[in-house]
Amino acid sequence: GDSVTQMEGPVTLSEEAFLTINCTYTATGYPSLFWYVQYPGEGLQLLLKATKADDKGSNKGFEATYRKETTSFHLEKGSVQVSDSAVYFCALSGTGGFKTIFGAGTRLFVKA
Amino acid sequence: EAGVVQSPRYKIIEKKQPVAFWCNPISGHNTLYWYRQNLGQGPELLIRYENEEAVDDSQLPKDRFSAERLKGVDSTLKIQPAELGDSAVYLCASSFQGTEKLFFGSGTQLSVL
Repeated sequence: GDSVTQMEGPVTLSEEAFLTINCTYTATGYPSLFWYVQYPGEGLQLLLKATKADDKGSNKGFEATYRKETTSFHLEKGSVQVSDSAVYFCALSGTGGFKTIFGAGTRLFVKA
Repeated sequence: EAGVVQSPRYKIIEKKQPVAFWCNPISGHNTLYWYRQNLGQGPELLIRYENEEAVDDSQLPKDRFSAERLKGVDSTLKIQPAELGDSAVYLCASSFQGTEKLFFGSGTQLSVL
């Protein structure tokens, strides 16, 4: 079945460092891909998405490119801030339905 | 605009007791989801409603879990009886019908002792 694998955390970075969180997926067909973020004490919220190969999703300085050849959707940010500390979830929504499957999440700590 | 509202925020019960969680989705969202999130893992779908119809309940443990969505708005998820392994965060989400973006509530953290 469909699945999402993302790098284990926690990831600890200093402010202004470059961030990469790796995500790979297994799916039949052509899924849509997402990154959701969960800030402390809050619900998950959509950060960005891409719906087809080579699409780049972006929001709040974060970017991820849908790579069909490597079945990947890595999250990147050029300069992280303390306020980016959160748990990041990679997810996919398979074709033909709306069952969103999530990875295990990667916790990010950003130090001032 | 109010987001997805869930209650209670926390619940502590003893095993074998019943428990219920309530969710009020965003107004106008036809699709409602219940997810379970175990510690250190991502959310896993339990059930999906389109209006008042449960269209995907394949992952719902039907021997002890039940859900309803009367009038296609609010929803209740029940566990009876609860087991130790049910300790988790129960998340409700909603979306406009036909869209993929999910809006999540803050969840109910259940501890079964």
